[in-house]
Amino acid sequence: NAGVTQTPKFQVLKTGQSMTLQCAQDMNHNSMYWYRQDPGMGLRLIYYSASEGTTDKGEVPNGYNVSRLNKREFSLRLESAAPSQTSVYFCASSEQRSGGYGYTFGSGTRLTVV
Amino acid sequence: TQLLEQSPQFLSIQEGENLTVYCNSSSVFSSLQWYRQEPGEGPVLLVTVVTGGEVKKLKRLTFQFGDARKDSSLHITAAQTGDTGLYLCAGARMDSSYKLIFGSGTRLLVRP
Repeated sequence: NAGVTQTPKFQVLKTGQSMTLQCAQDMNHNSMYWYRQDPGMGLRLIYYSASEGTTDKGEVPNGYNVSRLNKREFSLRLESAAPSQTSVYFCASSEQRSGGYGYTFGSGTRLTVV
Repeated sequence: TQLLEQSPQFLSIQEGENLTVYCNSSSVFSSLQWYRQEPGEGPVLLVTVVTGGEVKKLKRLTFQFGDARKDSSLHITAAQTGDTGLYLCAGARMDSSYKLIFGSGTRLLVRP
């Protein structure tokens, strides 16, 4: 099935550990995004990649890094996890640099940092 | 600071009732989108509105974009239990149209 695939679905980390969240899309979309979703706060943009080879900070980038490996893949890395990074993480992709195109979201990674 | 305010935050209604969800901002958006999210899943796009005053219908759901492109509403007629979920509005800002700003969501429960 076409869409956005995220791995893993669930993860528990200890404070200070590192990990990489993987995301891949097979729709040939140019733009990809990482959001986090916390109760009562909606979705907040962490990083985005408007096109292959470019990445930029979003609203809440501190504590994260990203890599746009190729047009299909966009990974999110937590170098030293903190309890404040406990959240549900969503990767999304879109067709073009235009707000007229909707996002396709993955099913999320539920991360708990203890 | 939330750029997009959604109201109400929670809504519990009986099957068959009508409801309206609002999405308001002081900012102008080039387009506005509505998503529905179910537990354990990512948001799924319902509609995109682009022109001020635009109205779009999707079966029992009616979406409207404000004339000034600062607000939007979602009206559901004769709600069904399958409409239960989290409804999110998202706006594309004029200065960076491909980055969406999301509202905090309206959690809808439709009781049988």
